[in-house]
This record gives sequence, C-alpha cells and structure tokens, in this order.
Amino acid sequence: GQNIDQPTEMTATEGAIVQINCTYQTSGFNGLFWYQQHAGEAPTFLSYNVLDGLEEKGRFSSFLSRSKGYSYLLLKELQMKDSASYLCAASDSNYQLIWGAGTKLIIKP
Amino acid sequence: ETGVTQTPRHLVMGMTNKKSLKCEQHLGHNAMYWYKQSAKKPLELMFVYSLEERVENNSVPSRFSPECPNSSHLFLHLHTLQPEDSALYLCASSQGGSGGYAYNEQFFGPGTRLTVL
Repeated sequence: GQNIDQPTEMTATEGAIVQINCTYQTSGFNGLFWYQQHAGEAPTFLSYNVLDGLEEKGRFSSFLSRSKGYSYLLLKELQMKDSASYLCAASDSNYQLIWGAGTKLIIKP
Repeated sequence: ETGVTQTPRHLVMGMTNKKSLKCEQHLGHNAMYWYKQSAKKPLELMFVYSLEERVENNSVPSRFSPECPNSSHLFLHLHTLQPEDSALYLCASSQGGSGGYAYNEQFFGPGTRLTVL
C-alpha cells in the first residue's frame, strides 16, 4: 500500500535549527511536497522536490533521496511564527497526492 | 477576492439536515478537490474534478455529493450525516497538465469546520 510517515510532534527553540523527516512508499513517484499549516488555517505550499538533492528557499530547505524514499524539511533561524504543522505529501504515478498526518512543530522562546 | 474561498467557515448541523459547502477559486485553475481533515490524521482526498469532470471518488459515502458547475466553483452537498463526519473540509485547486490532473502544487481554501450533532 501507499504510506507516508512523519513524526507527530517536535519541539525546538527560537533561533535554532530543526529537521522534520518524512519517509514515503508510493506506487510510482512524481515528486514530494511540503506544506505548512497554522492552526485553523489552510495548508500553504512550501516546497517541491522531484530530483535528488537539496532545494534551498530562504530559511527553509527541502531534501529528497528517491532511492531511500526519504525527504526532510530543514528550518533555520527558527521564529515563533514557524509554530505550525508541516505536511509531507508524495505524488504517485497518477499524480495523486498521498499525505502524511503532519508534524506539529512547537517553538519555545 | 483572490485565491481559494470557502463558505461557510463554520457549520453545525443535525443528522437529518441538508446543507451545502461552497468553494470558489480565482486562480484560473482547471482542477479542484475536496479533502477531509480530521485531527491527527492525514488529509483524505474525497473528490477530484479536472476540467469539470469527476476523475476520482475515493469510496466516499453517498451522503456526500459533489457538484462542479464550472471550473471556478465546487460544491459539496451534505445530507443525513453522521457524527463521525465532523471534521475540517478543505477545498483546493491546481493547474493540471495535458492529462488534466494534479501536476502542480495545490492551493487550499481556509476550510469549513463542520460539526454534526
């Protein structure tokens, strides 16, 4: 079957770095998405990886290893506003998104 | 209005009521989606419309009935719901490729928080 695994919750300190991991198993693969969702709000797009390697976008970076079925989202210089849930989603052979349950990130001062 | 809008934002209904959720996208996209989001669970894809044709119906109970009158509007008609249907219902849109499917990132609306009593 198709499956996405990511930690349920993580805690980090303001100004620090945190890495949120995601492993996936899908029928075919057409890329890996990361979304951010603040409580009570819509998910918003953060990144998309389809080739192996690291994509950097400001304080956020996303990494993909297709051979390992693995991705991570790296957040640097954490700010209180980064407290949110981070959703990992893999696109399968039909371009349907398979979603993880999300990682709730708690930032402490 | 910009992006994806949803109304109402909150809805409380009894099990015998009939109500409808509305979604409108102002992005010129050709694919629209309904998702169900329950606490601590992955997003559940309910329906996909591409070029106004339904292309996905993931075994959703018949008490949920979608309608897509044009590429900008999507409805979810609800009737005789159960308490376990209480959740956040999210609408999303994307620009599909030649196959009309989800080739690109999806843009989400703010959701409708549904409570079934």
